[in-house]
Amino acid sequence: NAGVTQTPKFRILKIGQSMTLQCTQDMNHNYMYWYRQDPGMGLKLIYYSVGAGITDKGEVPNGYNVSRSTTEDFPLRLELAAPSQTSVYFCASSRQGHATGELFFGEGSRLTVL
Amino acid sequence: GENVEQHPSTLSVQEGDSAVIKCTYSDSASNYFPWYKQELGKRPQLIIDIRSNVGEKKDQRIAVTLNKTAKHFSLHITETQPEDSAVYFCAASKNNDMRFGAGTRLTVKP
Repeated sequence: NAGVTQTPKFRILKIGQSMTLQCTQDMNHNYMYWYRQDPGMGLKLIYYSVGAGITDKGEVPNGYNVSRSTTEDFPLRLELAAPSQTSVYFCASSRQGHATGELFFGEGSRLTVL
Repeated sequence: GENVEQHPSTLSVQEGDSAVIKCTYSDSASNYFPWYKQELGKRPQLIIDIRSNVGEKKDQRIAVTLNKTAKHFSLHITETQPEDSAVYFCAASKNNDMRFGAGTRLTVKP
C-alpha cells in the first residue's frame, strides 16, 4: 500500500493564480482531511470529508474548495492565491473519523505564493 | 471551539534523560487525545493516544497521562535517544473537531 499520496511536493504561485493539490489514498478510508501547517502554529483543519460526496468546512476554509467524487481522491483547490496561503499542506485519511482514530498523513506539499 | 495550548515550545535534554511535554485544553467534552511526532521534513505520525475514560497509557519508553478535572494531559519520554529528536504535537478532539497544539521541538543531545 502506498498510503496517502500528495502531489505536487513543491509549487510556487503568483498572486491571483489558481491550482489544485491532489490527494489520493489506497487504504479504503472513508474519512479524509486537508490541513495547513504554518511555522510555530501546529496543524489547522481546512476541510474534511466523511465519505464520497460529502464535504465540510474545518477551522480555516476561506480561500479553498474541495470535492470528493470517489473514496480514494480528495483534491484541494486554491482560487485566487494570496500570500497568506503560503504554507505546507498535508492531506490525511483515517478509518474511524479523526476524532477517534489514527490519522495517516501524506508527505506534504509546500506552497509559496509570491 | 476547542483551544489547545502546548508547553514548552522547545526542549533540550541530554541523551538518557526524561522529557515531559504538557498540553491543556479548554473544552471539557473533548474525549480523544493523540500525540504526533514529526521528524524534520517528514509527515506527522501517531505515537500514542489516550481516551477520556483512561488516566494513563504506556508504550515502552513513551507514556501519556490525562487529568480530566484539570483539563491537561502530558507526554513522558524516558531514556531519551537522539532519534527522539523531532517536533511533537498534542491534540484534543470531540466529534469531528480535532485541534492541535503549536508543537514542541525536542532536541536530544548525544
